[in-house]
Amino acid sequence: AQSVSQHNHHVILSEAASLELGCNYSYGGTVNLFWYVQYPGQHLQLLLKYFSGDPLVKGIKGFEAEFIKSKFSFNLRKPSVQWSDTAEYFCAAYNTDKLIFGTGTRLQVFP
Amino acid sequence: DTAVSQTPKYLVTQMGNDKSIKCEQNLGHDTMYWYKQDSKKFLKIMFSYNNKELIINETVPNRFSPKSPDKAHLNLHINSLELGDSAVYFCASSQTRYNEQFFGPGTRLTVL
Repeated sequence: AQSVSQHNHHVILSEAASLELGCNYSYGGTVNLFWYVQYPGQHLQLLLKYFSGDPLVKGIKGFEAEFIKSKFSFNLRKPSVQWSDTAEYFCAAYNTDKLIFGTGTRLQVFP
Repeated sequence: DTAVSQTPKYLVTQMGNDKSIKCEQNLGHDTMYWYKQDSKKFLKIMFSYNNKELIINETVPNRFSPKSPDKAHLNLHINSLELGDSAVYFCASSQTRYNEQFFGPGTRLTVL
C-alpha cells in the first residue's frame, strides 16, 4: 500500500529563516501530490499541487515544492518564513481513489 | 460564501448516544469525503461518495454510516458512540476523483 512519509515532526524557526519540509511517497507510478496547511483551529487549505509538467511548483503565500521522481520526494520550501506561517503542514498523495496523508509537520515560527 | 460547510462545529455527547454530522458543498463537485483527524493530527479517509455512490469504505466500524441524499450533501451518522470516536471529523469535496480536495471547517466530537 502506498504511504507518505514526513520526516520532520516538529520544526522551530525564527522569522526570516528558510524552510524545507521533507515528504517522500512510496508509489512508483504516476502520482498526484499535494501540500496542505492547517492553521491552529482551522481546516486544511491547499498550498500547492503537482500533477505533471514542471517539477518546481509554486503555491500560495510564497511556498514552492519540487517533485524529484528519482527520489520519490516532494519537499516544501519557503525562502523566508513569517510568524503567520505557524501551522501544521501535510503532504498527501493519491493512491488509486484515496488521498493518503503524511503524519504532518508542526511548524512554529518565533518572531 | 462558504464552499464546504459542516454542522455542528462542536458536538459533546455521552457514550452510547447516536449523533449525526452534516456536510454541504456549493462547489458543484462530484465527489465528497469524510475524514477523521485524531489527537495526533493524523488524517485518515473514512468514506467517499462519487455522484451519490459509495466508492470508498475504509475499515470503519459499521456504527458509522454515511448518507448522500444528493451530490451536494454527505452526512455522517454515528450509532452507539464510544470514547475512541472523539476526534475532529472533516468533510471534503473534489471536482472529480484524483483532484485537489476542499475541506470543511471540521466538527470536533467529544464523547464523555
